[in-house]
Amino acid sequence: AQSVTQLGSHVSVSEGALVLLRCNYSSSVPPYLFWYVQYPNQGLQLLLKYTSAATLVKGINDFEAEFKKSETSFHLTKPSAHMSDAAEYFCAVSDQGSGNTGKLIFGQGTTLQVKP
Amino acid sequence: DVKVTQSSRYLVKRTGEKVFLECVQDMDHENMFWYRQDPGLGLRLIYFSYDVKMKEKGDIPEGYSVSREKKERFSLILESASTNQTSMYLCASSSVRQRQPQHFGDGTRLSIL
Repeated sequence: AQSVTQLGSHVSVSEGALVLLRCNYSSSVPPYLFWYVQYPNQGLQLLLKYTSAATLVKGINDFEAEFKKSETSFHLTKPSAHMSDAAEYFCAVSDQGSGNTGKLIFGQGTTLQVKP
Repeated sequence: DVKVTQSSRYLVKRTGEKVFLECVQDMDHENMFWYRQDPGLGLRLIYFSYDVKMKEKGDIPEGYSVSREKKERFSLILESASTNQTSMYLCASSSVRQRQPQHFGDGTRLSIL
């Protein structure tokens, strides 16, 4: 069965520091992976997606993620944190056993705090 | 641009009421989903639909039902609302084509008193 694990429910960084949010997945088939961001009292917004075209994926707001098959990881990074990056971040993998239903399996989420 | 619209941002209802949450998407997506989100529990799938009039239970369907009479609209129904259904409800849709992400609405924060 597929699963997603986000290491660290809370991450705190200083403004201008590197952001690293960790995501590990388990899948018996090549996965499709996604990162979403959720600002307070809003829905989830797609940051980026991996669909096997390239291992380094660039997303919106200078975020990027690298797919590492050997480590079954898809960590999210940003070189320099802004105050506006404070939000909750979700990693997700396509449920490959569900046909074309589009189901996703979500991690538990990581809350990013950015300190001035 | 992709648009998923949930009918209410905030809703307050009373215990025992029948509650309807509406979701409309304008992208001609085949798949639609209802989640609830609670602190510490992440997103939990309630129901999803992969076609008109088709529905499947997610992980926590108890106390809920759904309706999809038209492709663009997916309704979540709380048959008899209870206080433990106070939560944030999120609707999403996606294309049946592979590798496509889900697109989310802004959510409905529902309080059952």
